[in-house]
Amino acid sequence: EDQVTQSPEALRLQEGESSSLNCSYTVSGLRGLFWYRQDPGKGPEFLFTLYSAGEEKEKERLKATLTKKESFLHITAPKPEDSATYLCAVQAVNSGYSTLTFGKGTMLLVSP
Amino acid sequence: NAGVTQTPKFQVLKTGQSMTLQCAQDMNHEYMSWYRQDPGMGLRLIHYSVGAGITDQGEVPNGYNVSRSTTEDFPLRLLSAAPSQTSVYFCASGQRVGNTEAFFGQGTRLTVV
Repeated sequence: EDQVTQSPEALRLQEGESSSLNCSYTVSGLRGLFWYRQDPGKGPEFLFTLYSAGEEKEKERLKATLTKKESFLHITAPKPEDSATYLCAVQAVNSGYSTLTFGKGTMLLVSP
Repeated sequence: NAGVTQTPKFQVLKTGQSMTLQCAQDMNHEYMSWYRQDPGMGLRLIHYSVGAGITDQGEVPNGYNVSRSTTEDFPLRLLSAAPSQTSVYFCASGQRVGNTEAFFGQGTRLTVV
């Protein structure tokens, strides 16, 4: 059974205080690992897809990395507008079609 | 470009009532799915479809029916609502081939009393 565990559950940062969110996964064969951002009352918004260990992707203050067992979402010098819940999901090779297994998310609050 | 559109945004049902949550996408995506999101549980897959006329069950399909008569629409039917179905429901769509990301709708908040 595919599993995704995200930590911490919640994280409070001061503006400018860099940190990382963790996503540990267990999957029979990884087709892709996805990061999403979700604002309150909204649907998840796609951020990144990572396909193989060693891959990295960046977008503004966010950088996602991938190893064989986990992914990190690094947030550099965060701003209050980065406050959101960040979701990690995996897609397994044997999942058939585009089905995603999600973690429970990390709620990030950035204070000015 | 509207993306994925869900209606209604909010709904209150009485136990035993039936209703249909609507989902439409205008991106010509083959793949569509329904998730529910509950506090502390994360997003869980209910049903999905890989194209018109083809549907399959996800992790939590009981109490829900789906059909896919067109590429654009993927309605979710609650046959006899139960309080355990109180949740936020998200519809998503994506390309079938490759690892393209899923696009999500804004969600339907359903309360069953």
